[in-house]
Amino acid sequence: GAVVSQHPSRVICKSGTSVKIECRSLDFQATTMFWYRQFPKQSLMLMATSNEGSKATYEQGVEKDKFLINHASLTLSTLTVTSAHPEDSSFYICSASSGTSGGASTDTQYFGPGTRLTVL
Amino acid sequence: AQSVTQPDIHITVSEGASLELRCNYSYGATPYLFWYVQSPGQGLQLLLKYFSGDTLVQGIKGFEAEFKRSQSSFNLRKPSVHWSDAAEYFCAVGHGTASKLTFGTGTRLQVTL
Repeated sequence: GAVVSQHPSRVICKSGTSVKIECRSLDFQATTMFWYRQFPKQSLMLMATSNEGSKATYEQGVEKDKFLINHASLTLSTLTVTSAHPEDSSFYICSASSGTSGGASTDTQYFGPGTRLTVL
Repeated sequence: AQSVTQPDIHITVSEGASLELRCNYSYGATPYLFWYVQSPGQGLQLLLKYFSGDTLVQGIKGFEAEFKRSQSSFNLRKPSVHWSDAAEYFCAVGHGTASKLTFGTGTRLQVTL
């Protein structure tokens, strides 16, 4: 089956630094990738949708200048948390699909294992 | 706007007992419905999905779900629970798998031996 990886799995950083999280589709080409944020014991909240080669679409309330998303290739998307603060500590999960965002595709969305970010 | 409600935050069942996890959705058009499972510290794994056709959907690990349009529900069932089924279960709705999904708040399943 389709596999999505994330790196790193855990990261601890100091307040004010930037952190980059990678999301890779290992055995398929992902035209669309999604970034979610999950707080402890809560559901996943979609942060943004990215299509390869174009700018990401951010959900309402998500600061695009703070959470930089790049989807430079069909197998890689990155999320950079800039000037991280303790309130950014969370579990970040990406997913990837070979369908086109917004369409009625039946392509499945595959999820990565997540990245635990802790900002001190 | 689409929304998903999972009324049960936490459910405990004995191993070997049957299980039903509830999910209600709100969506203006024909929904695409999903159930995902998340083990601690892990990403989500798709259990099953419904797009159209037979309203009883079979998934992996012995799970099934039934779409009931009249009740706006998509409850997940398993006839006999195994200890390894202990996890967080999320119901989600979307209008296409490649479009954004709206997740419920999840139901944590605990299995007692």
